Amino acid sequence: NAGVTQTPKFQVLKTGQSMTLQCAQDMNHNSMYWYRQDPGMGLRLIYYSASEGTTDKGEVPNGYNVSRLNKREFSLRLESAAPSQTSVYFCASSGLILAGVTSRTDTQYFGPGTRLTVL
Amino acid sequence: DAKTTQPNSMESNEEEPVHLPCNHSTISGTDYIHWYRQLPSQGPEYVIHGLTSNVNNRMASLAIAEDRKSSTLILHRATLRDAAVYYCILRNGNQFYFGTGTSLTVIP
Repeated sequence: NAGVTQTPKFQVLKTGQSMTLQCAQDMNHNSMYWYRQDPGMGLRLIYYSASEGTTDKGEVPNGYNVSRLNKREFSLRLESAAPSQTSVYFCASSGLILAGVTSRTDTQYFGPGTRLTVL
Repeated sequence: DAKTTQPNSMESNEEEPVHLPCNHSTISGTDYIHWYRQLPSQGPEYVIHGLTSNVNNRMASLAIAEDRKSSTLILHRATLRDAAVYYCILRNGNQFYFGTGTSLTVIP
């Protein structure tokens, strides 16, 4: 049981390049989230997916797109990277489904993060 | 503007209790109060959460003011492994609003 995994762990991009950050969870969770964390700051929500097939904007969605590929995977895409997107990106999941019913668990489980630098 | 306000840093002696305060004066009636902590180079991990009543679990206790405009995370006996950044968070539905956190140093 790996929990929440993210790839890559580190990435350096040049301004204007594109890339996709991958996230997968094996806990049968319904909801998944993407956050960014800038130095000395708390996490800010970029996008979330409350369930498979749905996505919604969070606090700071500009410059990003997301795809909920299936129940396990939620990817974050930067189409044209900018230096302001230099940050550590965290994926998280929550919401366990048992016997077809989503329990109202409030715990989010976070991945180890992806450190992205845009030059 | 941040929805929660916390001291930047605090220190505690090992084996002693720690009280980590948080102000959230603009909290709405449907906001849950969550606490997570983050160890260096790791993602945050859940500590505790509550709505109106005080809460206890194996990790900590959460004391919520009667008007809900502030809360306190209580670690009953700090250990060196408790050294981390502690975030007070307001949750409304799927939106989690993190503060800037309190960096806790535990002194042996």
